[in-house]
Amino acid sequence: AQSVTQPDIHITVSEGASLELRCNYSYGATPYLFWYVQSPGQGLQLLLKYFSGDTLVQGIKGFEAEFKRSQSSFNLRKPSVHWSDAAEYFCAVGALSGGFKTIFGAGTRLFVKA
Amino acid sequence: DADVTQTPRNRITKTGKRIMLECSQTKGHDRMYWYRQDPGLGLRLIYYSFDVKDINKGEISDGYSVSRQAQAKFSLSLESAIPNQTALYFCATSDSTANYGYTFGSGTRLTVV
Repeated sequence: AQSVTQPDIHITVSEGASLELRCNYSYGATPYLFWYVQSPGQGLQLLLKYFSGDTLVQGIKGFEAEFKRSQSSFNLRKPSVHWSDAAEYFCAVGALSGGFKTIFGAGTRLFVKA
Repeated sequence: DADVTQTPRNRITKTGKRIMLECSQTKGHDRMYWYRQDPGLGLRLIYYSFDVKDINKGEISDGYSVSRQAQAKFSLSLESAIPNQTALYFCATSDSTANYGYTFGSGTRLTVV
Protein backbone atom coordinates (compact mmCIF):
# COMPACT_ATOMS: atom_id res chain seq x y z
CA ALA A 1 0.00 0.00 0.00
CA GLN A 2 1.14 3.51 -0.64
CA SER A 3 1.94 6.03 2.08
CA VAL A 4 3.15 9.60 2.34
CA THR A 5 5.25 11.27 5.02
CA GLN A 6 5.68 14.99 5.48
CA PRO A 7 8.33 15.26 8.18
CA ASP A 8 7.73 18.90 9.04
CA ILE A 9 4.49 19.80 10.82
CA HIS A 10 5.17 23.49 10.38
CA ILE A 11 7.84 25.72 8.87
CA THR A 12 8.47 29.43 9.22
CA VAL A 13 10.34 31.40 6.56
CA SER A 14 10.94 35.06 5.99
CA GLU A 15 9.26 36.78 3.10
CA GLY A 16 11.59 36.69 0.12
CA ALA A 17 13.49 33.66 1.36
CA SER A 18 13.54 30.34 -0.43
CA LEU A 19 11.31 27.47 0.60
CA GLU A 20 11.58 23.71 0.51
CA LEU A 21 8.87 21.42 1.87
CA ARG A 22 9.75 17.78 2.22
CA CYS A 23 7.73 14.79 1.12
CA ASN A 24 8.66 11.13 1.18
CA TYR A 25 6.48 8.42 -0.26
CA SER A 26 6.26 4.68 -0.20
CA TYR A 27 4.95 2.80 -3.20
CA GLY A 28 6.13 -0.26 -5.07
CA ALA A 29 5.83 1.13 -8.58
CA THR A 30 6.17 4.52 -10.18
CA PRO A 31 3.79 6.73 -8.26
CA TYR A 32 1.59 9.56 -9.28
CA LEU A 33 2.63 12.46 -7.05
CA PHE A 34 0.83 15.67 -6.23
CA TRP A 35 1.19 18.79 -4.13
CA TYR A 36 -1.89 20.65 -2.96
CA VAL A 37 -2.26 23.91 -1.06
CA GLN A 38 -5.01 24.76 1.40
CA SER A 39 -5.58 28.38 2.32
CA PRO A 40 -7.54 29.10 5.51
CA GLY A 41 -11.22 28.30 5.11
CA GLN A 42 -10.72 26.85 1.67
CA GLY A 43 -10.55 23.49 0.04
CA LEU A 44 -7.39 22.06 -1.42
CA GLN A 45 -6.03 23.38 -4.70
CA LEU A 46 -3.70 21.42 -6.94
CA LEU A 47 -0.26 23.05 -7.25
CA LEU A 48 1.48 20.51 -9.46
CA LYS A 49 1.70 16.84 -10.34
CA TYR A 50 4.21 14.28 -11.54
CA PHE A 51 3.50 11.11 -13.50
CA SER A 52 6.53 10.50 -15.66
CA GLY A 53 9.13 12.24 -17.76
CA ASP A 54 11.08 15.24 -16.56
CA THR A 55 11.65 14.86 -12.86
CA LEU A 56 11.46 18.60 -12.25
CA VAL A 57 7.89 19.79 -12.59
CA GLN A 58 6.58 23.31 -12.62
CA GLY A 59 3.32 24.31 -11.03
CA ILE A 60 1.18 27.30 -10.37
CA LYS A 61 2.12 30.27 -8.19
CA GLY A 62 5.83 29.84 -8.92
CA PHE A 63 6.19 26.46 -7.23
CA GLU A 64 8.21 23.54 -8.51
CA ALA A 65 8.91 20.03 -7.26
CA GLU A 66 11.55 17.45 -7.99
CA PHE A 67 10.96 13.71 -8.08
CA LYS A 68 13.92 11.70 -6.81
CA ARG A 69 13.29 8.00 -7.15
CA SER A 70 16.45 7.01 -5.29
CA GLN A 71 15.31 8.97 -2.25
CA SER A 72 11.57 8.31 -2.63
CA SER A 73 11.08 12.03 -2.35
CA PHE A 74 9.05 14.71 -4.03
CA ASN A 75 10.03 17.99 -2.37
CA LEU A 76 8.28 21.25 -3.12
CA ARG A 77 10.31 24.41 -3.66
CA LYS A 78 9.86 28.09 -4.27
CA PRO A 79 12.74 30.52 -4.80
CA SER A 80 11.14 33.51 -3.08
CA VAL A 81 8.22 33.22 -0.71
CA HIS A 82 5.45 35.81 -0.56
CA TRP A 83 3.27 36.49 2.47
CA SER A 84 0.30 35.12 0.51
CA ASP A 85 1.98 31.69 0.40
CA ALA A 86 1.15 31.16 4.07
CA ALA A 87 -1.08 28.10 4.01
CA GLU A 88 -1.03 24.37 4.60
CA TYR A 89 0.60 22.18 1.99
CA PHE A 90 -0.23 18.56 1.35
CA CYS A 91 1.77 16.01 -0.57
CA ALA A 92 -0.21 13.13 -2.03
CA VAL A 93 0.48 9.88 -3.83
CA GLY A 94 -1.89 8.14 -6.18
CA ALA A 95 -1.75 4.51 -7.14
CA LEU A 96 -3.45 2.53 -9.84
CA SER A 97 -4.18 -0.40 -7.55
CA GLY A 98 -7.75 -0.50 -6.33
CA GLY A 99 -8.90 1.76 -9.11
CA PHE A 100 -6.66 4.68 -8.29
CA LYS A 101 -6.98 6.21 -4.87
CA THR A 102 -4.98 9.12 -3.58
CA ILE A 103 -3.38 9.08 -0.15
CA PHE A 104 -2.51 12.40 1.50
CA GLY A 105 0.26 13.30 3.88
CA ALA A 106 -0.50 14.97 7.20
CA GLY A 107 0.39 18.38 5.83
CA THR A 108 2.97 21.09 6.53
CA ARG A 109 1.79 24.47 7.69
CA LEU A 110 3.84 27.34 6.29
CA PHE A 111 4.16 30.57 8.22
CA VAL A 112 5.70 33.61 6.51
CA LYS A 113 7.22 36.36 8.59
CA ALA A 114 7.78 39.89 7.40
CA ASP B 1 -20.54 29.09 -9.13
CA ALA B 2 -17.94 26.78 -7.68
CA ASP B 3 -17.07 23.57 -9.52
CA VAL B 4 -17.70 21.54 -6.36
CA THR B 5 -20.27 22.83 -3.88
CA GLN B 6 -20.69 21.51 -0.39
CA THR B 7 -23.59 22.26 1.91
CA PRO B 8 -23.79 23.22 4.67
CA ARG B 9 -20.51 25.09 5.24
CA ASN B 10 -20.83 24.79 8.98
CA ARG B 11 -23.02 22.62 11.16
CA ILE B 12 -23.35 21.97 14.85
CA THR B 13 -25.34 18.90 15.81
CA LYS B 14 -26.04 16.87 18.89
CA THR B 15 -24.80 13.40 19.68
CA GLY B 16 -27.10 10.75 18.28
CA LYS B 17 -28.60 12.92 15.57
CA ARG B 18 -28.59 11.93 11.92
CA ILE B 19 -26.97 14.42 9.62
CA MET B 20 -26.39 14.60 5.89
CA LEU B 21 -23.66 16.52 4.12
CA GLU B 22 -24.26 17.23 0.47
CA CYS B 23 -21.93 17.64 -2.46
CA SER B 24 -22.69 18.61 -6.03
CA GLN B 25 -20.33 19.19 -8.93
CA THR B 26 -20.42 20.81 -12.33
CA LYS B 27 -17.15 19.32 -13.59
CA GLY B 28 -18.85 16.39 -15.31
CA HIS B 29 -16.51 14.03 -13.47
CA ASP B 30 -17.41 10.41 -12.90
CA ARG B 31 -15.48 10.00 -9.66
CA MET B 32 -16.39 11.53 -6.34
CA TYR B 33 -14.83 11.21 -2.92
CA TRP B 34 -15.47 12.08 0.70
CA TYR B 35 -12.53 12.87 2.98
CA ARG B 36 -12.32 14.05 6.54
CA GLN B 37 -9.54 16.29 7.76
CA ASP B 38 -8.28 16.27 11.32
CA PRO B 39 -5.33 18.33 12.58
CA GLY B 40 -2.10 16.37 12.24
CA LEU B 41 -3.73 13.54 10.36
CA GLY B 42 -4.17 15.05 6.93
CA LEU B 43 -7.07 13.85 4.82
CA ARG B 44 -8.48 10.38 5.26
CA LEU B 45 -10.75 8.73 2.74
CA ILE B 46 -14.25 7.85 3.96
CA TYR B 47 -16.00 6.68 0.78
CA TYR B 48 -15.49 6.96 -2.92
CA SER B 49 -17.60 6.41 -5.99
CA PHE B 50 -16.33 5.79 -9.50
CA ASP B 51 -19.78 6.07 -11.01
CA VAL B 52 -23.40 6.08 -9.90
CA LYS B 53 -23.49 2.31 -9.38
CA ASP B 54 -20.00 1.91 -7.96
CA ILE B 55 -19.54 2.92 -4.32
CA ASN B 56 -16.64 1.80 -2.19
CA LYS B 57 -15.52 2.12 1.39
CA GLY B 58 -12.40 4.05 2.21
CA GLU B 59 -10.11 3.66 5.17
CA ILE B 60 -12.48 5.10 7.79
CA SER B 61 -16.02 4.28 6.68
CA ASP B 62 -17.40 3.06 10.02
CA GLY B 63 -20.22 5.30 11.22
CA TYR B 64 -20.77 6.81 7.78
CA SER B 65 -22.87 6.02 4.75
CA VAL B 66 -23.13 7.60 1.32
CA SER B 67 -25.54 7.96 -1.54
CA ARG B 68 -24.71 8.76 -5.14
CA GLN B 69 -27.98 10.23 -6.35
CA ALA B 70 -26.67 11.21 -9.77
CA GLN B 71 -23.38 11.71 -11.51
CA ALA B 72 -23.24 15.20 -10.06
CA LYS B 73 -24.39 14.49 -6.50
CA PHE B 74 -22.75 12.53 -3.71
CA SER B 75 -24.00 12.85 -0.14
CA LEU B 76 -22.45 11.68 3.11
CA SER B 77 -24.56 10.70 6.12
CA LEU B 78 -23.73 10.23 9.74
CA GLU B 79 -26.47 7.93 10.98
CA SER B 80 -25.91 8.66 14.65
CA ALA B 81 -23.36 11.40 15.14
CA ILE B 82 -20.75 11.11 17.88
CA PRO B 83 -18.28 13.74 19.14
CA ASN B 84 -15.21 12.14 17.55
CA GLN B 85 -16.81 12.76 14.17
CA THR B 86 -16.18 16.44 14.71
CA ALA B 87 -13.97 17.35 11.77
CA LEU B 88 -13.69 19.20 8.50
CA TYR B 89 -15.24 17.19 5.67
CA PHE B 90 -14.27 17.56 2.04
CA CYS B 91 -15.88 16.35 -1.12
CA ALA B 92 -13.67 15.97 -4.17
CA THR B 93 -14.07 14.91 -7.78
CA SER B 94 -11.80 13.62 -10.50
CA ASP B 95 -12.07 12.35 -14.03
CA SER B 96 -11.83 8.65 -14.75
CA THR B 97 -8.05 8.71 -14.93
CA ALA B 98 -7.52 10.96 -11.90
CA ASN B 99 -4.38 12.01 -13.73
CA TYR B 100 -5.19 15.66 -13.30
CA GLY B 101 -5.67 15.51 -9.58
CA TYR B 102 -8.77 16.24 -7.60
CA THR B 103 -11.06 19.23 -7.50
CA PHE B 104 -12.13 19.94 -3.94
CA GLY B 105 -15.10 21.66 -2.42
CA SER B 106 -14.64 24.29 0.26
CA GLY B 107 -15.47 21.87 3.03
CA THR B 108 -18.07 21.41 5.74
CA ARG B 109 -17.04 22.06 9.30
CA LEU B 110 -19.04 19.69 11.48
CA THR B 111 -19.17 19.89 15.24
CA VAL B 112 -20.89 17.17 17.25
CA VAL B 113 -21.70 18.20 20.82
